[in-house]
Amino acid sequence: AQSVTQLDSQVPVFEEAPVELRCNYSSSVSVYLFWYVQYPNQGLQLLLKYLSGSTLVKGINGFEAEFNKSQTSFHLRKPSVHISDTAEYFCAVSDYSGGYQKVTFGIGTKLQVIP
Amino acid sequence: NAGVTQTPKFRVLKTGQSMTLLCAQDMNHEYMYWYRQDPGMGLRLIHYSVGEGTTAKGEVPDGYNVSRLKKQNFLLGLESAAPSQTSVYFCASSYGTVPNQPQHFGDGTRLSIL
Repeated sequence: AQSVTQLDSQVPVFEEAPVELRCNYSSSVSVYLFWYVQYPNQGLQLLLKYLSGSTLVKGINGFEAEFNKSQTSFHLRKPSVHISDTAEYFCAVSDYSGGYQKVTFGIGTKLQVIP
Repeated sequence: NAGVTQTPKFRVLKTGQSMTLLCAQDMNHEYMYWYRQDPGMGLRLIHYSVGEGTTAKGEVPDGYNVSRLKKQNFLLGLESAAPSQTSVYFCASSYGTVPNQPQHFGDGTRLSIL
């Protein structure tokens, strides 16, 4: 069975400071990892994904994430945040089991950027 | 390109009433999903469909029914609404046949059961 743990439910950070949102996963098979962002009153949007290859993945809006197989982690980072990055971020793991694409989401991390 | 469209966006029901949430996608995706989002619990899968005419139970299916009569539409029904079903409901779709494809989400339906 797969699972996703987002270690921080809320992360406050000052504008232009760096941020790291942590995600750990467990799965018994090969996995594909995603980060989604949810702005207020909207659905989830894909931020970036790790499928294979380079462990450093770049996404939209200046975000990047690093896949670490030994640590089973997929932490999201941004070197300098903006007010517009205030949103909730979800880590997700996907595999193909039981005959369908099973996606498991973390409980989310609310990023609050402080002016 | 509309992507995934959910209707209605908001609804208030009384306990015991019934309603249907509609999800439509224009990306020719095979797989469609219904999730509910509650504070501190992330997204939980209610039902999903791997193709037209097929449906299956997810993690929290009790109290809900679904239908996928057309490939582009996925309906979620509440036969007798209960306050515990107050939530934000999201529909998603994906190619689904391989696990490396992301899901595409609608903007959600905010449902309150009084």
